[in-house]
Amino acid sequence: DGGITQSPKYLFRKEGQNVTLSCEQNLNHDAMYWYRQDPGQGLRLIYYSQIVNDFQKGDIAEGYSVSREKKESFPLTVTSAQKNPTAFYLCASSRQQGWTEAFFGQGTRLTVV
Amino acid sequence: GQQVMQIPQYQHVQEGEDFTTYCNSSTTLSNIQWYKQRPGGHPVFLIQLVKSGEVKKQKRLTFQFGEAKKNSSLHITATQTTDVGTYFCGVQGAQTLVFGQGTRLTINP
Repeated sequence: DGGITQSPKYLFRKEGQNVTLSCEQNLNHDAMYWYRQDPGQGLRLIYYSQIVNDFQKGDIAEGYSVSREKKESFPLTVTSAQKNPTAFYLCASSRQQGWTEAFFGQGTRLTVV
Repeated sequence: GQQVMQIPQYQHVQEGEDFTTYCNSSTTLSNIQWYKQRPGGHPVFLIQLVKSGEVKKQKRLTFQFGEAKKNSSLHITATQTTDVGTYFCGVQGAQTLVFGQGTRLTINP
C-alpha cells in the first residue's frame, strides 16, 4: 500500500538531547513537509522540501534541522536548542507543492522528560 | 505571507444539529482544501475547491467556495458522533500549503 510513515509514534527525550523523527513516503511525491501541533492548536510549518537536497525554513524552524538526501525520506531532528519541544509532530507529502492534496503520516508525539 | 482565518475555534453541538465552519482570506485564493483530524489522529484530506462559487457535497457535508474566492465554508447537516474532530482549511501560500487554526467540533450524544 502507498502511504507516508512516521516513526516512532511516541518518543521520550531527556532535556539537552537531540532526537530524530523519521518520515518515509512511497507515494513518489516531490514535496514533503514537517508541521508541529500543540494541544488544541493548528498546524505550524517547521520545514518543507520541494526536491531532493533542497529544503526551506517554515514559520518555526529555530531549534530544528532536516535533510532530504532521498526523495522518499525527510527526517526531522529536534535539537537541544528547541526551547519547548514537547508537541505532536506531523509529516506530510504532496505531489506538487501546495496545489494538490497533502497526505499526512500518523504523527510522532514527542515528550521531553 | 498568506494567512487564512478560520472561525469558530470551537463548536459544541447536540447530536443531530447542524455545524458550519468558515475560512476567510484577505486575498483571492487559487484553491482551498479541507481536512478532518479525528481526536488523537492525523489530518485527512476531504476535498479541494477551485472554481468561484463552487459547491460540492459529500453525503451530509457541503463545501462552498465564495464567488470572490476569498472565503469558504464547510457545513455538516444533522451531525453524528462520528463527525467529532477538528476541521482545517488549507490554502496555497507563497511557497507552501498554509492551514487555518482549525475548528474543533464536539458533539453531545
